[in-house]
Amino acid sequence: EDQVTQSPEALRLQEGESSSLNCSYTVSGLRGLFWYRQDPGKGPEFLFTLYSAGEEKEKERLKATLTKKESFLHITAPKPEDSATYLCAGAAGNKLTFGGGTRVLVKP
Amino acid sequence: DAGVIQSPRHEVTEMGQEVTLRCKPISGHDYLFWYRQTMMRGLELLIYFNNNVPIDDSGMPEDRFSAKMPNASFSTLKIQPSEPRDSAVYFCASSSGLAVDTQYFGPGTRLTVL
Repeated sequence: EDQVTQSPEALRLQEGESSSLNCSYTVSGLRGLFWYRQDPGKGPEFLFTLYSAGEEKEKERLKATLTKKESFLHITAPKPEDSATYLCAGAAGNKLTFGGGTRVLVKP
Repeated sequence: DAGVIQSPRHEVTEMGQEVTLRCKPISGHDYLFWYRQTMMRGLELLIYFNNNVPIDDSGMPEDRFSAKMPNASFSTLKIQPSEPRDSAVYFCASSSGLAVDTQYFGPGTRLTVL
């Protein structure tokens, strides 16, 4: 059974304090690893897709990386507006298997 | 484009009642997905359609759940009869066959079954 596990479940950061979120996956026939951001009361918003080990993608203060077993989302010098739940998902066929998410709170 | 549109945004009903959730995908997208999100189980895929045809409904929890897509711009998820354990946020998402995995989510419907 495909499985995606995220850690930590929650992360409290001071503004400017960089950190990393982990996503480990066991997805048969993985076609891609996805990162989404979800704000309270809203649907997930697409951030990145990573297709092969060693690949990196960046967007503002976020950088996603991928290995054969894990993906990391690095948040550099976060701001309060980066507070959200970050979800990763593994794609097999046309289906996404989501992890439980990491709730990030950035305090000013 | 207005993005994926879902209605209603909130639904409160009593156990045993029929519930119908609605979704309008992004114009031109040919894949449509229904998800359910709970604290306990996270975000789970229920069913997805391609060109209005159901492709995989293995995530539909029980026969009480059914989904239809009568045309490219409309889909429904129906629960009959509803039970308290169906309380969750239901999301609809759509994607293009050219980038099938980049799914765009709607705002969700928060369902509460009393």
